[in-house]
Amino acid sequence: GAVVSQHPSWVICKSGTSVKIECRSLDFQATTMFWYRQFPKQSLMLMATSNEGSKATYEQGVEKDKFLINHASLTLSTLTVTSAHPEDSSFYICSARSALNQPQHFGDGTRLSIL
Amino acid sequence: GENVEQHPSTLSVQEGDSAVIKCTYSDSASNYFPWYKQELGKGPQLIIDIRSNVGEKKDQRIAVTLNKTAKHFSLHITETQPEDSAVYFCAAIQGGGGNKLTFGTGTQLKVEL
Repeated sequence: GAVVSQHPSWVICKSGTSVKIECRSLDFQATTMFWYRQFPKQSLMLMATSNEGSKATYEQGVEKDKFLINHASLTLSTLTVTSAHPEDSSFYICSARSALNQPQHFGDGTRLSIL
Repeated sequence: GENVEQHPSTLSVQEGDSAVIKCTYSDSASNYFPWYKQELGKGPQLIIDIRSNVGEKKDQRIAVTLNKTAKHFSLHITETQPEDSAVYFCAAIQGGGGNKLTFGTGTQLKVEL
């Protein structure tokens, strides 16, 4: 149980394009989803927290107009990297939680490479 | 806010030996401590967790201990196997504060044959 699916697993695109990453909770309803960014050999850095049906809460230093988050249903959240540039290249990971006192379960990440 | 320190950053053990990874946290209000295993190119996988009302929890070869007074918690892996090789992250979460996880810096565990 508690499976989180993330798609795509890998994407390469040209500078200036927008990229959408999907995060789905497959066997539970996720009231809260989280988006992280991870650089090589480093820990996970929280970018934003999204609750179903409301606006995402972004961490300090994360541009909300750059990283658009939508959590339209209890099983789906999307992260759109707008006008992506090479410095946005990274490993993006989502996680989902069914309730406040329940564990977070992570997807397998999306490796984004901007040329 | 919460700050989690994790040691060691790398750990190499022989197959069959035990491995111990230690974390400390700063916020005494933190009440939930999960451990995640991350294999190369994948997302973190929850392997065990402990809440602040418990001092120890065990699941087969994996155990976690918590010392609330000292604000320490540790992961113990016994009879290590090559498939245990991965990066392990500890984390802490506050009861309030939005329930955001604060991660440690990670430990690269290598189990050698």
